[in-house]
Amino acid sequence: EVQLVESGGGLIQPGGSLRLSCAASGFTVSSNYMSWVRQAPGKGLEWVSVIYSGGSTYYADSVKGRFTISRDNSKNTLYLQMNSLRAEDTAVYYCARGGSSSGTADYWGQGTLVTVSS
Amino acid sequence: DIQMTQSPSTLSASVGDRVTITCRASQSISSWLAWYQQKPGKAPKLLIYKASSLESGVPSRFSGSGSGTEFTLTISSLQPDDFATYYCQQYNSLWTFGQGTKVEIK
Repeated sequence: EVQLVESGGGLIQPGGSLRLSCAASGFTVSSNYMSWVRQAPGKGLEWVSVIYSGGSTYYADSVKGRFTISRDNSKNTLYLQMNSLRAEDTAVYYCARGGSSSGTADYWGQGTLVTVSS
Repeated sequence: DIQMTQSPSTLSASVGDRVTITCRASQSISSWLAWYQQKPGKAPKLLIYKASSLESGVPSRFSGSGSGTEFTLTISSLQPDDFATYYCQQYNSLWTFGQGTKVEIK
């Protein structure tokens, strides 16, 4: 059974750093493309970043230069390193798997809340 | 960047109603369009991919159509479990989501 479990969220001051983790089971992270999507309180979904099976990475303009997506194949885990955090980064962060049949997010984690506030 | 515009933003309907949600892309995305359902406090759930393909396990009352820049999601007979927010998403060039359509009880 495919499962994604995020962790690492919490309350952080503006300008601080946080690393989110997404532990995967039931499939191999390095064989699929993986994305992070966030949702600010009461708002819609916003794509954040993607890492492809070949290792290429892309970012939304709103986080470019501040966030870094990576994976640890030995741990079958996806990460999102978030630096220089701003109040507008406050959101629930979801990891999602790019499915081979659908070509888009077929499995999602439960989400982890990041709150940036002093 | 590709922009996605959904309409309406809110829709009030009754159980048994036929419901249609529209999504427009700012440029052609071929059929690289998905629809998701999201309930409060939960992760989105994939309903439709490649504009009209039904994800495994999704009830057949959900259907999708369109290509290029105009797409629709139709629920043929609204059920109590269908009251939720629906998002379209393009995946022709990275990902972009529409702003969402909340389906409320009339």
